[in-house]
Amino acid sequence: AQSVTQLGSHVSVSEGALVLLRCNYSSSVPPYLFWYVQYPNQGLQLLLKYTTGATLVKGINGFEAEFKKSETSFHLTKPSAHMSDAAEYFCAVSVDSGTYKYIFGTGTRLKVLA
Amino acid sequence: EAGVAQSPRYKIIEKRQSVAFWCNPISGHATLYWYQQILGQGPKLLIQFQNNGVVDDSQLPKDRFSAERLKGVDSTLKIQPAKLEDSAVYLCASSLGQLSYEQYFGPGTRLTVT
Repeated sequence: AQSVTQLGSHVSVSEGALVLLRCNYSSSVPPYLFWYVQYPNQGLQLLLKYTTGATLVKGINGFEAEFKKSETSFHLTKPSAHMSDAAEYFCAVSVDSGTYKYIFGTGTRLKVLA
Repeated sequence: EAGVAQSPRYKIIEKRQSVAFWCNPISGHATLYWYQQILGQGPKLLIQFQNNGVVDDSQLPKDRFSAERLKGVDSTLKIQPAKLEDSAVYLCASSLGQLSYEQYFGPGTRLTVT
């Protein structure tokens, strides 16, 4: 069975500082990995995804994530935080088991300080 | 391209009442998902449809929850009778098909049970 762990339910960074949101997964087969962002009172928006190929994945709004199989991690980073990045971020894992069922982490709320 | 539509956006009911949520997926998307997102947690899959057939409803509390997707397009999720612990955001998502790993989410319906 697959699972996702997001370390840190709340993360605060200063505007312009590095953003690092952590995600570790558990899967017995090659996973597909996703990061979604959720702004208040809105649905989930896909930031980026890893399926196969290049392990460094670039997404929207300057975010990127690196798939590290040896560490079973898929951490999300952004070099310079912007006030508009304040939101909740969810990591999700899915595998090809005939249907791509998502397992989500519990989320990390990012606060950006002026 | 229109996104996933959901209604109502907010609903407040008393326990033991019934409630229904509606979802219209992206045109042409064969697979439809309903998720429950309790405050402070990641979304949890309740039910997955492929066209108008159920693919996975293993986490749907069938004694009180029901869902249907007539004609393979729109879907409704019903709770009857509601309990306090059903307070959550109910998210609808769609994808092109079962073998498509990317899901698109609607804005959600926030249910408060008092």
